[in-house]
Parts: sequence; structure tokens; C-alpha cells
Amino acid sequence: DVKVTQSSRYLVKRTGEKVFLECVQDMDHENMFWYRQDPGLGLRLIYFSYDVKMKEKGDIPEGYSVSREKKERFSLILESASTNQTSMYLCASSPPWGTEAFFGQGTRLTVV
Amino acid sequence: GESVGLHLPTLSVQEGDNSIINCAYSNSASDYFIWYKQESGKGPQFIIDIRSNMDKRQGQRVTVLLNKTVKHLSLQIAATQPGDSAVYFCAEMGDNFNKFYFGSGTKLNVKP
Repeated sequence: DVKVTQSSRYLVKRTGEKVFLECVQDMDHENMFWYRQDPGLGLRLIYFSYDVKMKEKGDIPEGYSVSREKKERFSLILESASTNQTSMYLCASSPPWGTEAFFGQGTRLTVV
Repeated sequence: GESVGLHLPTLSVQEGDNSIINCAYSNSASDYFIWYKQESGKGPQFIIDIRSNMDKRQGQRVTVLLNKTVKHLSLQIAATQPGDSAVYFCAEMGDNFNKFYFGSGTKLNVKP
């Protein structure tokens, strides 16, 4: 059974903290994605990576960075958390030939 | 950039009836479309996909219709069941072969 695992289901962090969200996939997929999900706005792409050490900005990269040192792991970093980054964060992976993306269960981050 | 939108944010249907969820997309060059189902507290799960060289694709109780002329996608669920209650998203693979763009979602409520 294919799997995308996000390290935390729920996180509460303070404003200004550096926050790491971790994602691991076991499908040997080249592509990995980070989305944030907010009510009424759907899923918005923050960053994606198409190979180890490769990354591209999505639609809302401001305030975020990413790291992909190994093929199976894709980390989202909030350099200095702010309250407007309170959201549900979803990680996904997909093979390179344009088929479905598989999602993790999500991390609900609250910044106080 | 691409935009994918839904006509109705909430849809209520009676158990046993058929459901139709609609989606509009803006990029006529998009080649691949997916419908996802997201249950409360979970990440999106793949339901069905369709490529731009097709008009219709059927799965188990679900059918996706693609109208490229008006850039419209629909998901039909036959004999809707309580377990179908969820938020449904359409996703579009845009010009960048690896990136998906999501609509804001439609919440389907199935009344017993």
C-alpha cells in the first residue's frame, strides 16, 4: 500500500519560531509537493520538487522554504512563523509522467 | 496562471440519488484532470482521472465528463451513499507537466 507520511497531525507553535514540517514517501516518486489548505480557498501550492535538491516555487512561497536532501523526504520550513500561516498543510508525491498525486494525512498547524 | 473553480460550494442530495459536481478550468492547454475526495481529517484521495483526449471515463459508481469546448469538468456519482459525504476537488495539470492546480472544493452532504 502506497504511503505518504507527515510527521505530525497537529502542531502548535509560537509566532517567530522556526517550524519544520516533514514528509516521507515510500513510492520512489520523483515529484513531491507542499500545499496549504484554507476554507474556501482550496489547495494552494507552496513549493514542489522534481528531484533531489531541486525545487520550484508554487503560487504562495513567501514565508516558506523547502529542503529535499533525499528522494523520499521533503521538508517544509517556516523561517519565522506568523499567525497567518495557521493552516492545514498537505504533502503529496507523484511519479514524473503525469499521473495522480498521493497525499499525506495533513498537518494542522496553529501559530499563536 | 491556471485557475480551477467550482460552481457550488455545497451540495445536498438524498441517499440513493445521483450527484453531479461541477468544475470549470481556465487553461485550454491542460492535458490531465483528476477528481479527489477528502473526508474530514484526512488527506485527499484519488477518485478518477481523465486525459484531454477523452470526453468521458467511468469507474465504479463514478463518471467523469470533460467538455473541452467550454472548459468544464463534472463528476457524477450514482446511487449516492452516506459514505460519499466529503469534500470533492477537481485538479488540473497545467502547462508545467508536474504541477497540479486545485479548485476550492464542493462539500457533498448525503441525507439519509
